[in-house]
Amino acid sequence: SQTIHQWPATLVQPVGSPLSLECTVEGTSNPNLYWYRQAAGRGLQLLFYSVGIGQISSEVPQNLSASRPQDRQFILSSKKLLLSDSGFYLCAWRSGATNEQFFGPGTRLTVL
Amino acid sequence: AQSVSQHNHHVILSEAASLELGCNYSYGGTVNLFWYVQYPGQHLQLLLKYFSGDPLVKGIKGFEAEFIKSKFSFNLRKPSVQWSDTAEYFCAASGAGSYQLTFGKGTKLSVIP
Repeated sequence: SQTIHQWPATLVQPVGSPLSLECTVEGTSNPNLYWYRQAAGRGLQLLFYSVGIGQISSEVPQNLSASRPQDRQFILSSKKLLLSDSGFYLCAWRSGATNEQFFGPGTRLTVL
Repeated sequence: AQSVSQHNHHVILSEAASLELGCNYSYGGTVNLFWYVQYPGQHLQLLLKYFSGDPLVKGIKGFEAEFIKSKFSFNLRKPSVQWSDTAEYFCAASGAGSYQLTFGKGTKLSVIP
């Protein structure tokens, strides 16, 4: 069966510091991968998605970037964090057969 | 542009009350519809989905949703809620074959014992 991992689970970083959040998927190959940010009362905002290695689509201009160095690895990064980057970041993968997305446990990022 | 609207931000019910959470979507063409639930401290997980066929869809834990094409709606229902249904519920939509899901802002449900 497929599983999706995210780490770290929580992170506290100072303003201006870099960021790297990792997401890996097991049990499937060539998945579509997604990064979302969840903010209270705002639902889930799609940040990036990837249909293959090295292919990244950005949905919203951000202080963030994404990379997919391997088939089942998706990384969310920032060179310099802003206070507004605080939030709950979710990674997801999509089943091509059902168009359903499966979500990871998320990373709670606090920027101070 | 595609959009999904959820009518209620926070719903408070007593146990055994009936539940209906509203969801409207704006999409051109064939649409796939989903309800996700996020229990406190847990992953976002799928409650139910609609792709085609019977517009009344049954999901896990006694939830169901009805796709009404003429109203662009996909409301979530449960005849009798339990305290364990306390969670945040998200409606989502996707164009058929699309890579992307568009989510509503979510409805927080609090069930009082």
